[in-house]
Amino acid sequence: DQQVKQNSPSLSVQEGRISILNCDYTNSMFDYFLWYKKYPAEGPTFLISISSIKDKNEDGRFTVFLNKSAKHLSLHIVPSQPGDSAVYFCAASAWSGGGADGLTFGKGTHLIIQP
Amino acid sequence: GAGVSQSPRYKVAKRGQDVALRCDPISGHVSLFWYQQALGQGPEFLTYFQNEAQLDKSGLPSDRFFAERPEGSVSTLKIQRTQQEDSAVYLCASSPRLVYEQYFGPGTRLTVT
Repeated sequence: DQQVKQNSPSLSVQEGRISILNCDYTNSMFDYFLWYKKYPAEGPTFLISISSIKDKNEDGRFTVFLNKSAKHLSLHIVPSQPGDSAVYFCAASAWSGGGADGLTFGKGTHLIIQP
Repeated sequence: GAGVSQSPRYKVAKRGQDVALRCDPISGHVSLFWYQQALGQGPEFLTYFQNEAQLDKSGLPSDRFFAERPEGSVSTLKIQRTQQEDSAVYLCASSPRLVYEQYFGPGTRLTVT
């Protein structure tokens, strides 16, 4: 049973346009959400995060939106650049026992930025 | 400063062999996590340490998997009697105390033949 779902295995976007990556979750205990970016043969790199008490967090070209009632979050990249081509993972966590639990990841979305 | 490092980067093992994978976390990071990533999947949680204490090992797939962090710094993931289904990338991540964000190493790609 997948608790974090990324339903689009791949997404192709023209350079300069907006990229929107989506993620759904089922576990109501999750209270923190993160996006990671991964290039081939490298580990995931932390990109941006959001707490469940917020509905938006912005960092430069990257914005994450959280809709708690729908259990849905999205990552917006504006404008998209060629270096953004990578696999993007949505992850979720919960706080328990004095520390953050291990992350639960989706399967990833391969973003391809077309010149 | 230096990031999380893992060694070896690639390991080929014959079925039935034991392997040991090493993780050097970012200096001063209290929490250390191990994940397994199969081809085409997201990373899956294996186990978690806070300093030298293993607080959660619920993700270890069988008793052939064992992890330790004896001095609260370097960690080793050991897999005994490897099977083909153990072939995957093993990722290590660390984080400072009281934060959610984790910082990942490059991973060890294990291939069991």
